[in-house]
Amino acid sequence: KAGVTQTPRYLIKTRGQQVTLSCSPISGHRSVSWYQQTPGQGLQFLFEYFSETQRNKGNFPGRFSGRQFSNSRSEMNVSTLELGDSALYLCASTMTGGKNNSPLHFGNGTRLTVT
Amino acid sequence: KNQVEQSPQSLIILEGKNCTLQCNYTVSPFSNLRWYKQDTGRGPVSLTIMTFSENTKSNGRYTATLDADTKQSSLHITASQLSDSASYICVVSLMDSNYQLIWGAGTKLIIKP
Repeated sequence: KAGVTQTPRYLIKTRGQQVTLSCSPISGHRSVSWYQQTPGQGLQFLFEYFSETQRNKGNFPGRFSGRQFSNSRSEMNVSTLELGDSALYLCASTMTGGKNNSPLHFGNGTRLTVT
Repeated sequence: KNQVEQSPQSLIILEGKNCTLQCNYTVSPFSNLRWYKQDTGRGPVSLTIMTFSENTKSNGRYTATLDADTKQSSLHITASQLSDSASYICVVSLMDSNYQLIWGAGTKLIIKP
């Protein structure tokens, strides 16, 4: 079974631009969540989608948005990029979300650099 | 405030030695506690998930313990190998309507030959 796939792997953008990151979950997984990880920081939760609906949201500004498609693939968008948005963005999938004891399966992330 | 604190922040040990990483949490209501291993530049990988009633759980050379009374967990690594060099992250799941996850900042473990 293929793992969680995130594209692109690396991205360099300029301040003020916008960016879209993509995540394909493991087949059969309906929950997709997004995390931001900056050097020396723990994972910061962005949002979770389940069956095309945003189920949970972290404390990030409205510049960060996401969506999920009917095939469970998800995208996240960051508008008006700031230098502080430079980070590793991780996507994780699971069958039903945190409601059971199933582990999160992570992709290897998209490394975003904002200059 | 729901928090997960890990110690030490970083640890260096020699290959073949054992080590124990600590996790203290102030999360309520508690659903489960998870340990993840994250190699540099990669996504975290699940090691164990423990519910309230489980005191210990093993995954190969990794053994996690949970004391729900004192709200402490530990991850013990036996006979360390160079491939164990990674960050180890403790995560606690809340038993709220959304079962949100509270992430620790991780312990960075370096195994030296």
